Amino acid sequence: DGGITQSPKYLFRKEGQNVTLSCEQNLNHDAMYWYRQDPGQGLRLIYYSQIVNDFQKGDIAEGYSVSREKKESFPLTVTSAQKNPTAFYLCASRIFLDNTEAFFGQGTRLTVV
Amino acid sequence: SQQGEEDPQALSIQEGENATMNCSYKTSINNLQWYRQNSGRGLVHLILIRSNEREKHSGRLRVTLDTSKKSSSLLITASRAADTASYFCATDTGRRALTFGSGTRLQVQP
Repeated sequence: DGGITQSPKYLFRKEGQNVTLSCEQNLNHDAMYWYRQDPGQGLRLIYYSQIVNDFQKGDIAEGYSVSREKKESFPLTVTSAQKNPTAFYLCASRIFLDNTEAFFGQGTRLTVV
Repeated sequence: SQQGEEDPQALSIQEGENATMNCSYKTSINNLQWYRQNSGRGLVHLILIRSNEREKHSGRLRVTLDTSKKSSSLLITASRAADTASYFCATDTGRRALTFGSGTRLQVQP
């Protein structure tokens, strides 16, 4: 059953802690993306990767880091430098070709406690 | 940066009525896509319209694209309570990632 899986679904972080959100896809997609969504808002791009071992900053990369060591995995670390990390995080992937759709995971809701 | 902006921000209609959502964007695009999001869930792709297309249909969905006005509309005909969700437009310039608008929250009253 092909798809994109995010874990965990809910995550709680204490102030000053780093946390890592997992994103795995078995769709054989080249490109993967991380978006942040705040309540009632649209999606803002954090990082994206179009090929293994390469990634680019999006519009709100400060306080976040990523790696792309395997084609199927694109974990996101929310560092202590991210001052307002409480949000809904969405991972997506797609074939790196023109005119293709993105497939999304079910999201991780991160809350700072 | 938000490339697309949806209008209206919220829409409430009765079951059986049509729902129309609009999207405006700023730069040249390869295609424009519409997605649906149920509360607390991931986004699901609905339809993609290429820059050289003017209209596209998929079931009860009809999408138009006017590249001269940099705008698109999504029409859902004969709406159902199950259509209640947020709808987002996303622009694809072919250069990096999809850029999403702020969304329209649709409430269909049974």
